Amino acid sequence: QTVVTQEPSLTVSPGGTVTLTCASSTGAVTSGYYPNWFQQKPGQAPRALIYSTSNKHSWTPARFSGSLLGGKAALTLSGVQPEDEAEYYCLLYYDGAWVFGGGTKLTVL
Amino acid sequence: QVTLRESGPALVKPTQTLTLTCTFSGFSLNTGGMCVSWVRQPPGKALEWLALIDWDDDKYYSTSLKTRLTISKDTSKNQVVLTMTNMDPVDTATYYCARRVSESLDYWGQGTLVTVSS
Repeated sequence: QTVVTQEPSLTVSPGGTVTLTCASSTGAVTSGYYPNWFQQKPGQAPRALIYSTSNKHSWTPARFSGSLLGGKAALTLSGVQPEDEAEYYCLLYYDGAWVFGGGTKLTVL
Repeated sequence: QVTLRESGPALVKPTQTLTLTCTFSGFSLNTGGMCVSWVRQPPGKALEWLALIDWDDDKYYSTSLKTRLTISKDTSKNQVVLTMTNMDPVDTATYYCARRVSESLDYWGQGTLVTVSS
C-alpha cells in the first residue's frame, strides 16, 4: 500500500515563509507523479492550488508556489497571510490511481 | 462556469450499497481529456481518493477499495455515478466529486455527508 507523507503540523508567523513537503513511500517524487496541492478550511470543500508540480490555477495567489525539493514535492508560502491558516493536502499519481497525503495543519501565529 | 453537485442518501445501513450521483455543468465528458473523480473525507480525517472515469470510459479505482467500487457515466445527463458495496460505519464520510483535467482536480462539489448506521 502506497503511503504519501506530509508534516502533521507547522506554525508560521504572519509575513513569514514556510515550506510544506510531500513524500512517497515508493521513493523520490518526480514530475511524473504530477503533484497537486489543495487548501481546505473547516467546513469547506478543498480548493485546488497547484497542479503538475508547479502550475498555478487562475485563482491561486502569487505567494503560493510548488516545486520538487530533495526528492519530495513542496509547497512554499511566501509572505504568509492570516487567511492562509488551513489544512493543506498533496496528491500524487501512481500509474492510474491517485493517493492523498495525510495533510498538514498550518497555523499562522 | 464549471459546477459539480453530489447527491445521494444521507444515511445508509451497514451492508447496504451506497449510490452517489455527481451532476455537473460547464464541461462535457465527451471532450478529450475530461475526467471526473470521487474523493471522500471521514469526519476530522484526511482526504481519500476513490475513483476516476475519463472521457473514453476508462475507469480507475483506489487499490484498497477497488473490489467495492463501481464508477459510471451518463454523458447525456452530465452525470457520474459511484456505487460502493457492503457499507460499514468506517465509510461514514463526506463524499466529493471533482473534475480532473490536465492532471489537476480543479473544480470540486460541496460534498455530501453519508452516515453509515443501523
